[in-house]
Amino acid sequence: KNQVEQSPQSLIILEGKNCTLQCNYTVSPFSNLRWYKQDTGRGPVSLTIMTFSENTKSNGRYTATLDADTKQSSLHITASQLSDSASYICVVRANTGNQFYFGTGTSLTVIP
Amino acid sequence: SAVISQKPSRDICQRGTSLTIQCQVDSQVTMMFWYRQQPGQSLTLIATANQGSEATYESGFVIDKFPISRPNLTFSTLTVSNMSPEDSSIYLCSVARALSSYNEQFFGPGTRLTVL
Repeated sequence: KNQVEQSPQSLIILEGKNCTLQCNYTVSPFSNLRWYKQDTGRGPVSLTIMTFSENTKSNGRYTATLDADTKQSSLHITASQLSDSASYICVVRANTGNQFYFGTGTSLTVIP
Repeated sequence: SAVISQKPSRDICQRGTSLTIQCQVDSQVTMMFWYRQQPGQSLTLIATANQGSEATYESGFVIDKFPISRPNLTFSTLTVSNMSPEDSSIYLCSVARALSSYNEQFFGPGTRLTVL
């Protein structure tokens, strides 16, 4: 069964600190993996996309990693800001059909 | 990128009534999707809106409850019919330009629906 699991479910960190969010998936065959940021009351916005051959990709203070062998991805946020408070969703696309599998998200709260 | 607008942004409705949500994109797109996001949960795909033909529904969702229209490549509607409190959720429109491995899904701001 194709699934995407994220951890932790929620996280509270101090402004300026780093944090890492995890995504484990069983989707097969794998096409790509995206991390989305969803601010409260808004639709998700893509942060990064990882394909099978990519191990690391950065977008400003966001760095995503992918281990296609273990089917794990992480999103590392450096020097967190209050504006990073949001839900972060991992989405895996299968290489067949038009299937996108959504994780349940990690709710991140950055406090001053 | 794609700029997506949804109307209404939020609504409070009575049980048994219906609400139609509109999704407008600023440019032509190949794929349009409708998602539901219940409180504290991730997104669940309701259906793929097909231009010129009936929508493709996911398991657990039926056309009588969620009729969808897509008259052209920039517009779609989702109707939530005969609503009950269990339909209270955020409904999101999503688009993608082409069915390729790297196509990105863009999401609208969502419609927050509360059913009393």
